[in-house]
Amino acid sequence: RKEVEQDPGPFNVPEGATVAFNCTYSNSASQSFFWYRQDCRKEPKLLMSVYSSGNEDGRFTAQLNRASQYISLLIRDSKLSDSATYLCVVNIYNQGGKLIFGQGTELSVKP
Amino acid sequence: GAGVSQSPSNKVTEKGKDVELRCDPISGHTALYWYRQSLGQGLEFLIYFQGNSAPDKSGLPSDRFSAERTGGSVSTLTIQRTQQEDSAVYLCASSFTGGPGELFFGEGSRLTVL
Repeated sequence: RKEVEQDPGPFNVPEGATVAFNCTYSNSASQSFFWYRQDCRKEPKLLMSVYSSGNEDGRFTAQLNRASQYISLLIRDSKLSDSATYLCVVNIYNQGGKLIFGQGTELSVKP
Repeated sequence: GAGVSQSPSNKVTEKGKDVELRCDPISGHTALYWYRQSLGQGLEFLIYFQGNSAPDKSGLPSDRFSAERTGGSVSTLTIQRTQQEDSAVYLCASSFTGGPGELFFGEGSRLTVL
């Protein structure tokens, strides 16, 4: 079983739609969580950290459910520019600074 | 430049040859990471440095892979006797603290083994 699992998609949605991605992690010692965004043929970039209480950044909302070991990302009012691959990232408590990436979920927003 | 710099950006080599990939992190960043991304796949962790030491080498696929970091700055990833399955984009990232903070990635080195 992979340490971090995501639905690879692709998710094809119209502009203005709300879309949600889930990510599950297998190690209960995971302590820090992030969402990264990767545009086609580009390097990944941090989208947002995920806090225990949930957090929002504009149209983006991240949630963490430690009991069920999953993380979610909600995008409201999708824009064409949101088209990218969204990577779920986990840091495990006893593995120092090592960050483990999921395989990513591809989003395509259509006009 | 201010970002993470990687070289070469593209490398085509013949099976069995050795290759060296270089990463120059953001100045002042203590942590440095190497990942590998095959076509259509996620990022595969290879190795992580805190300063010049590598507390976690668990991701190196085989003993043909090695990495070093000198002066707490530049890192080199070496692949000996390359195989076709080594073909991928090799991404380097650096982080200010090495704790689970934001990673800043370079644009990657695309390796093609013929």
